[in-house]
Amino acid sequence: AQSVTQLGSHVSVSEGALVLLRCNYSSSVPPYLFWYVQYPNQGLQLLLKYTTGATLVKGINGFEAEFKKSETSFHLTKPSAHMSDAAEYFCATFEGFSGGYNKLIFGAGTRLAVHP
Amino acid sequence: AAGVIQSPRHLIKEKRETATLKCYPIPRHDTVYWYQQGPGQDPQFLISFYEKMQSDKGSIPDRFSAQQFSDYHSELNMSSLELGDSALYFCASSSRTSGSTPTYEQYFGPGTRLTVT
Repeated sequence: AQSVTQLGSHVSVSEGALVLLRCNYSSSVPPYLFWYVQYPNQGLQLLLKYTTGATLVKGINGFEAEFKKSETSFHLTKPSAHMSDAAEYFCATFEGFSGGYNKLIFGAGTRLAVHP
Repeated sequence: AAGVIQSPRHLIKEKRETATLKCYPIPRHDTVYWYQQGPGQDPQFLISFYEKMQSDKGSIPDRFSAQQFSDYHSELNMSSLELGDSALYFCASSSRTSGSTPTYEQYFGPGTRLTVT
């Protein structure tokens, strides 16, 4: 079964610094990978997704992620952190894949703190 | 653009009571998912429906049941509530196809925060 592992439950960066949130996947077949963001007391918002095709995926709010098969990774980056980026970030994949309607399996989450 | 609607947003119940959570998916979405997120935890899949039929089931207690209605809205019914049921309950919806291109994204609602006292 597919799974994802997020390295680092807490990441702290300075405003304007590079954001790097790590996610590794375990999959026997090409995975579908997602990054979601959750602001305090809010729902999950899709940041970006990788399905097929281009390995560098651009998402909303200046985030991007690169699918690296050789490293089984899908790390999330943003060149310059903003205070509003402070949130919980979840990497996710489908547990299996059966026609596009399958349950998501989430990583444990990484809480991003941005300080002035 | 229309989003997933969940009601109520907050719910306080006592132990052994029942609760009903409602979810209204994005129009023309054919699949609904329910997830439970405990404090400080990642969301865990409970159950899903495709075209009003149960399509998958996760770690959902027998005390919980759910269904999807003809208008595609879904309800999660929870009985004999326990303190451990206190969590954020998310509904998500997706569409198998958007035009000729399959889409796989699940769009989440704002969640219902259930507190059991």
